[in-house]
Amino acid sequence: DIQMTQSPSSLSASLGDSVTITCRASQSIGIYLNWYQQKSGNAPKLLIYRTSTLQTGVPSRFSGSGSGTEFTLTIVSLQPEDFATYFCQQSFGGSFTFGPGTTVD
Amino acid sequence: QEQLVESGGGVVQPGRSLRLSCVASGFIFSDYSMHWVRQSPGKGLQWLATMSHDTTKINYADFVRGRFTISRDNSRNTVSLQMSSLGVDDSAAYYCVRDRSTLSPVWNFEIWGRGTLVTVSS
Repeated sequence: DIQMTQSPSSLSASLGDSVTITCRASQSIGIYLNWYQQKSGNAPKLLIYRTSTLQTGVPSRFSGSGSGTEFTLTIVSLQPEDFATYFCQQSFGGSFTFGPGTTVD
Repeated sequence: QEQLVESGGGVVQPGRSLRLSCVASGFIFSDYSMHWVRQSPGKGLQWLATMSHDTTKINYADFVRGRFTISRDNSRNTVSLQMSSLGVDDSAAYYCVRDRSTLSPVWNFEIWGRGTLVTVSS
């Protein structure tokens, strides 16, 4: 099965900072990588699909890049509502696995 | 607005069965593939099962195949997950999720319910 890892597991940031989260797949998944944001007590929310396409309504300060086995989520000019946990997920196949998450606080 | 509401969670003894249901509203249910995803502190987020919009295609995660069964009723806008032989590792919040794409699934999990909690304990 395809394993997903994320780094860092958590990071501390301040308003206005730019942050980058890395997601790695155990084998090539092309561009079939999605990002979700989850706030405490809520279900995850789809942010980006197919590596770099922003879901409708997602602010342009979010961006995604990568291909193959290494992907990044970047948030520029961090806003108060961006403090959350972020998960990557591969939609290439197998068990459509999720990463363990990165908490931005 | 587009909404999914799960029900059926609760406390169940190991080895027993439980059926989760999800009612959809605010979109054309029969156009979309539906998924079940669960989340636990120990295992994180795990995709469990997918049923295509027309029920012709079903996929399961290996670790639930043979124990869990997904079904849907397009006339009632509902999708269900029948779970059997439950173990303590199945304790989790279970989410009903709609695919982003109409017709064929792309496993982009776009619309999520609020989840229903399943606790497997003696």
